[in-house]
Amino acid sequence: NAGVTQTPKFQVLKTGQSMTLQCAQDMNHEYMSWYRQDPGMGLRLIHYSVGAGITDQGEVPNGYNVSRSTTEDFPLRLLSAAPSQTSVYFCASRPTVLNEQFFGPGTRLTVL
Amino acid sequence: DQQVKQNSPSLSVQEGRISILNCDYTNSMFDYFLWYKKYPAEGPTFLISISSIKDKNEDGRFTVFLNKSAKHLSLHIVPSQPGDSAVYFCAASVGGSEKLVFGKGMKLTVNP
Repeated sequence: NAGVTQTPKFQVLKTGQSMTLQCAQDMNHEYMSWYRQDPGMGLRLIHYSVGAGITDQGEVPNGYNVSRSTTEDFPLRLLSAAPSQTSVYFCASRPTVLNEQFFGPGTRLTVL
Repeated sequence: DQQVKQNSPSLSVQEGRISILNCDYTNSMFDYFLWYKKYPAEGPTFLISISSIKDKNEDGRFTVFLNKSAKHLSLHIVPSQPGDSAVYFCAASVGGSEKLVFGKGMKLTVNP
């Protein structure tokens, strides 16, 4: 199993550009989440999904969209990037029977 | 307002000694707590968890203690090893939900 994979590893955007951060897992996990980590802030939940077709907002959802059309994939879309979205983004997944989440390696995003 | 607090940003210990990492929380609804370890340029890795129905959980060298009345938990690592050097995050949730709330993290350095 590859576990949780994220692409790209690094990305630089200009203010106003849009992009999609990809996240995939091959463990057949029902739950998937997106977090951002800022210096000195810990991880904060952006959006999460409890299954295909079901998503909900986390603590910091503004400026981000998600969808979950398959169990495996959970992309995060930035519609109009802002410098405040400069961060490291982590995707995570877990099966229903466990409470602990498995994290991907992260995407480092810089918005100029 | 931070609901999960890791008040010490760093800790340095000698190899073979005990490492004690502390975490405080303010939300009395939290009933599930987790510790994650994170190496640079990697995603967090689950370490150990505890439910509020317990006051202690052990897994090898790692033990988590929960004091509900004080809203305090601690992670003990005995004996500490250089490979334990990482950033440790405390996280909490209500009912084991996806809405994990993380602390800011503590950097542990174990010196040979």
